Amino acid sequence: GAVVSQHPSRVICKSGTSVKIECRSLDFQATTMFWYRQFPKQSLMLMATSNEGSKATYEQGVEKDKFLINHASLTLSTLTVTSAHPEDSSFYICSAISGVGTNIQYFGAGTRLSVL
Amino acid sequence: QKEVEQNSGPLSVPEGAIASLNCTYSDRGSQSFFWYRQYSGKSPELIMSIYSNGDKEDGRFTAQLNKASQYVSLLIRDSQPSDSATYLCADTGTASKLTFGTGTRLQVTL
Repeated sequence: GAVVSQHPSRVICKSGTSVKIECRSLDFQATTMFWYRQFPKQSLMLMATSNEGSKATYEQGVEKDKFLINHASLTLSTLTVTSAHPEDSSFYICSAISGVGTNIQYFGAGTRLSVL
Repeated sequence: QKEVEQNSGPLSVPEGAIASLNCTYSDRGSQSFFWYRQYSGKSPELIMSIYSNGDKEDGRFTAQLNKASQYVSLLIRDSQPSDSATYLCADTGTASKLTFGTGTRLQVTL
């Protein structure tokens, strides 16, 4: 399957700081990437859909000014959690669709964010 | 609101047995269905995709889709302890957005 790299794998930060998470498609161009959040013992919840060269589409209830998404190239999308608070502590996972004519999503390894 | 329903488990099966995981979905417009495996603390890994009614086999895994009943299942033959994980069912319509179930935790016992 296609390879999606996500970095960093783990972040511990102080409340009020901003954290940037990178998601890269390594062997394909991803016109669409997705950002999910997963709390313990819960399923993945889609936060936003990121399209290269355009604004991200956020799901209902997700604050676009808090979770900034940039998809500046066909291989890179970033999620910035601004002014992070302890309730933002979660497992953030990105995914990408590997090509035209397919809707299979491949996932990055995830980023575990802990806000103190 | 679109929903995907799974029994949370745990489903416990002995090593070598067949594990049967089930999933129902609410959106009749859903066109694609996926099974992902997620180990604790890791991200999901694609196991199977299925788009048409019937069975699709890949090694020890068989996915079954019944659109009339809005039902998807995953069979794992010759279950191994390494198969112990949470299995997530997901569907998608034309927008390519995945809707995930809450997952079924599978335990394969020695």
